[in-house]
Amino acid sequence: GQNIDQPTEMTATEGAIVQINCTYQTSGFNGLFWYQQHAGEAPTFLSYNVLDGLEEKGRFSSFLSRSKGYSYLLLKELQMKDSASYLCAVRDPLYSGAGSYQLTFGKGTKLSVIP
Amino acid sequence: ETGVTQSPTHLIKTRGQQVTLRCSSQSGHNTVSWYQQALGQGPQFIFQYYREEENGRGNFPPRFSGLQFPNYSSELNVNALELDDSALYLCASSLLWTASDSTDTQYFGPGTRLTVL
Repeated sequence: GQNIDQPTEMTATEGAIVQINCTYQTSGFNGLFWYQQHAGEAPTFLSYNVLDGLEEKGRFSSFLSRSKGYSYLLLKELQMKDSASYLCAVRDPLYSGAGSYQLTFGKGTKLSVIP
Repeated sequence: ETGVTQSPTHLIKTRGQQVTLRCSSQSGHNTVSWYQQALGQGPQFIFQYYREEENGRGNFPPRFSGLQFPNYSSELNVNALELDDSALYLCASSLLWTASDSTDTQYFGPGTRLTVL
């Protein structure tokens, strides 16, 4: 079965650092994505990890440990506009060897940034 | 802006009716995936189309069906609407993911908000 867990809600202060954790148990794995979604809008791509380690992109970093089934998204120098839901998604194969994949999402973490 | 467009933006239907939602892919993308996102939940995979054929399906009943056209645009059709079908419907375009193309991602459209009364 597919199971992706992340905290439901988090609150952090403007200018601070926040870490959003994601644990996963999926039948297949070909990478982990983080998306940002503002209320009523489409998810927008933030980061992608397929190998263990840290990927840094400006104020956002994402970490992956495949052996632990664990990832986190790190947001630095928080801004009010970072208030949004953050979705962890695993890319897993549609069929074995077919070369096509789907995204399996967690329920999302709603981040509120306060002054 | 991802270059993926969807129509309509909002739609209200009643139980038992049928609905068609439309999606235009980002230029150069040949694969379209559809997702259903209920309020407060993450998107759930419905199905994927590649070269006008269904390429994979999630845990959704047959009354959810789709089409992909030669220009790679796509439709999602839902028959016999139920109250629980009320959700945001997202389409995402991508290149067909192969093991050698592992850095690509899916780009989402703005979604269609469907309300079933």
